[in-house]
Amino acid sequence: KQEVTQIPAALSVPEGENLVLNCSFTDSAIYNLQWFRQDPGKGLTSLLLIQSSQREQTSGRLNASLDKSSGRSTLYIAASQPGDSATYLCAVKTSYDKVIFGPGTSLSVIP
Amino acid sequence: SQTIHQWPATLVQPVGSPLSLECTVEGTSNPNLYWYRQAAGRGLQLLFYSIGIDQISSEVPQNLSASRPQDRQFILSSKKLLLSDSGFYLCAWTRGTGNEQFFGPGTRLTVL
Repeated sequence: KQEVTQIPAALSVPEGENLVLNCSFTDSAIYNLQWFRQDPGKGLTSLLLIQSSQREQTSGRLNASLDKSSGRSTLYIAASQPGDSATYLCAVKTSYDKVIFGPGTSLSVIP
Repeated sequence: SQTIHQWPATLVQPVGSPLSLECTVEGTSNPNLYWYRQAAGRGLQLLFYSIGIDQISSEVPQNLSASRPQDRQFILSSKKLLLSDSGFYLCAWTRGTGNEQFFGPGTRLTVL
């Protein structure tokens, strides 16, 4: 059974710091892995999608990596800003109809 | 461009009352559609998945049901709400397998 965990559960950093969020999954047989952000009371916004054959994806200050063999993905945020404060969720698609989400990391960037 | 809509945005219902939440997608055809629930302090739980009209898969046993009367319309229903049905309900879509998933703005349901 696929399980997805995220470490840390919460993170508070001063503005300008680079930071790494971690996502782990137990079954390496995945179609893809997607990172989302969620602002309080809002829906999820897609940040990056990594297909199972890819190693990383980049968008602006964000870089996500995927190591299927070890069951890990990291989301790297460079030069963090207060506007980056949100909950970050990773999700793995294990088959055409199953998407498993991690519990999320709550990020607070202090001005 | 594609957009996904959900309504209502918020809903307060008494225990035992019926429920109907609607999700529609614009700008695409034959999307895969999903219903998730996010309960307080818990992660997202996949409730239903649909690959086409009247093709619905249920992930967990519950007193909720889903229907897809049109290609881009996905409805979540209940005949009698329970207190445990309270939560944040999110609709999402993808264009086929292995593609990026996009979410709607969500419906906050409170059952009293």
